[in-house]
Amino acid sequence: KQEVTQIPAALSVPEGENLVLNCSFTDSAIYNLQWFRQDPGKGLTSLLLIQSSQREQTSGRLNASLDKSSGRSTLYIAASQPGDSATYLCAVRTGANNLFFGTGTRLTVIP
Amino acid sequence: DTAVSQTPKYLVTQMGNDKSIKCEQNLGHDTMYWYKQDSKKFLKIMFSYNNKELIINETVPNRFSPKSPDKAHLNLHINSLELGDSAVYFCASSQWDRVDNEQFFGPGTRLTVL
Repeated sequence: KQEVTQIPAALSVPEGENLVLNCSFTDSAIYNLQWFRQDPGKGLTSLLLIQSSQREQTSGRLNASLDKSSGRSTLYIAASQPGDSATYLCAVRTGANNLFFGTGTRLTVIP
Repeated sequence: DTAVSQTPKYLVTQMGNDKSIKCEQNLGHDTMYWYKQDSKKFLKIMFSYNNKELIINETVPNRFSPKSPDKAHLNLHINSLELGDSAVYFCASSQWDRVDNEQFFGPGTRLTVL
């Protein structure tokens, strides 16, 4: 059964720092991996989606990488801002169109 | 132009009651989902509907029943509510045959059972 883990569970950084969030999954037979952002009391916003055949995707200050064979993905956030404070979730899609979510990393960017 | 919408946003009810949560998507997608986010913030799939047919049921109690009147709607009915049903429920949609099958999520419904 697919299990998705995110490390660290919480992270606090001063504004302007670059940071990396980690995601690992146990079954490498995935179709894609999605990174989401969730603000307190809000829904999920899709940030980046990486197909299983891709190595990375970039959107603005965000860069997500995927190493399918080792079951790992990272989300790199450059020049962090207070507005980046949120919980970041990664999810992998299996053949059944099911999304398995990680436990999330709660990011706080301190002004 | 809300892509995936849910009503109500908050729902507070007593144990034993029956309640429904509605979900609508205007993206033209053919697949809709219900997820449950528990108190530890862990998100887990409950149901998936493709063209009005149930394709996933992740061992959810049969007190929960999804109902899809058409492709754009997937409602969640819950009978005999229990304390453990308190959670945030998210609806999502996607296009099944798209290569990336990116899922788009609604804002969530926070259910509190007293």
